[in-house]
Amino acid sequence: EAGVTQFPSHSVIEKGQTVTLRCDPISGHDNLYWYRRVMGKEIKFLLHFVKESKQDESGMPNNRFLAERTGGTYSTLKVQPAELEDSGVYFCASSHLSTLNTIYFGEGSWLTVV
Amino acid sequence: AQSVTQLDSHVSVSEGTPVLLRCNYSSSYSPSLFWYVQHPNKGLQLLLKYTSAATLVKGINGFEAEFKKSETSFHLTKPSAHMSDAAEYFCVVIRNTGNQFYFGTGTSLTVIP
Repeated sequence: EAGVTQFPSHSVIEKGQTVTLRCDPISGHDNLYWYRRVMGKEIKFLLHFVKESKQDESGMPNNRFLAERTGGTYSTLKVQPAELEDSGVYFCASSHLSTLNTIYFGEGSWLTVV
Repeated sequence: AQSVTQLDSHVSVSEGTPVLLRCNYSSSYSPSLFWYVQHPNKGLQLLLKYTSAATLVKGINGFEAEFKKSETSFHLTKPSAHMSDAAEYFCVVIRNTGNQFYFGTGTSLTVIP
């Protein structure tokens, strides 16, 4: 069974540009989460999808971040325009609807804004 | 509010000696607690989890953790460190009805040959 897949694995962009991160959850997982770790800080929750609906987006830092999950399969996280403080690792995770506390993480997308 | 505190940002042990990574939690609810590991350039891998069953939890790769409510602790241990254990370890709490994981700041484990 394939795990949670994230793309790109690494991205370097200039301040003011746009970046789109993609996450493919494990097949059949209705729950999809985005987390991120900015440099020197702890990993923090961004948002949670149940199928295509945003269940909780309380962790989204500001309106430069837009997450979508059209069709309830893969998800994208767009940062527009990117700022220096957005640099870090963005993790995606997924789980079955009935097993909220067993989630599987991807390898992360490493974003560097210069 | 839920949170975890990892008491050591770096731990260094010799190969073959015991490992102790400390974690204290605070939670208004009966918590679910986890340890995750991240090896260099890899994703987060679940080591073990506590969900109000047995207080001593056994995980993968010889790791275990004991939930101590009186001490609000969930320390991670391993009797004998291996070189492949070198990684960053995260203690995580989630309230039973919640969907958010709260991560500690991580403990970087170095294993000296």
